[in-house]
Amino acid sequence: KQEVTQIPAALSVPEGENLVLNCSFTDSAIYNLQWFRQDPGKGLTSLLLIQSSQREQTSGRLNASLDKSSGRSTLYIAASQPGDSATYLCAVGRGGGADGLTFGKGTHLIIQP
Amino acid sequence: DGGITQSPKYLFRKEGQNVTLSCEQNLNHDAMYWYRQDPGQGLRLIYYSQIVNDFQKGDIAEGYSVSREKKESFPLTVTSAQKNPTAFYLCASSIGTGMDEQFFGPGTRLTVL
Repeated sequence: KQEVTQIPAALSVPEGENLVLNCSFTDSAIYNLQWFRQDPGKGLTSLLLIQSSQREQTSGRLNASLDKSSGRSTLYIAASQPGDSATYLCAVGRGGGADGLTFGKGTHLIIQP
Repeated sequence: DGGITQSPKYLFRKEGQNVTLSCEQNLNHDAMYWYRQDPGQGLRLIYYSQIVNDFQKGDIAEGYSVSREKKESFPLTVTSAQKNPTAFYLCASSIGTGMDEQFFGPGTRLTVL
């Protein structure tokens, strides 16, 4: 059974720092990996989608990498801002077809002004 | 505006009652999903549907039921058989190939009184 782990569970850094969030998964036979942002009491906002054949994706100040063989992904946030404060969730595509995602528990990020 | 809507935003239920959560999308997506989120836990898959008139159980389907009579609608019924229904419920959709991005609605918070 696929398990997804996110480290650290919580992180607090001063504004302007570059930071890395980690995600690991136990079964390398994934279809894709998706990073989300969740603000308190809200739904999920998709940040980046990496297909299993890709190594990385970039969007603005965000860069996500994928190493299937080692079961790891990282989300790099450059020049952090207070508006980046949120919970970041990593999820891997499961099975064949549109079978849903398996989620980690998230990293709660606070950017101090 | 294309997107996913969920209603109601907050729902209160007495023990022993069935309640139905609404999820509608106008993205023309084939696949739709229901997840449950509890404090300190990752999202868990309840049910998913890859096409109209077809749906599959996820990891925690017991005590829940769904229907998919229309492409744009995927309502979730929380039955009295669900032992611990208080949670945040999130609906999502995707194009349906299994490698595509999932988009989420704003969620419904269900509280059992």
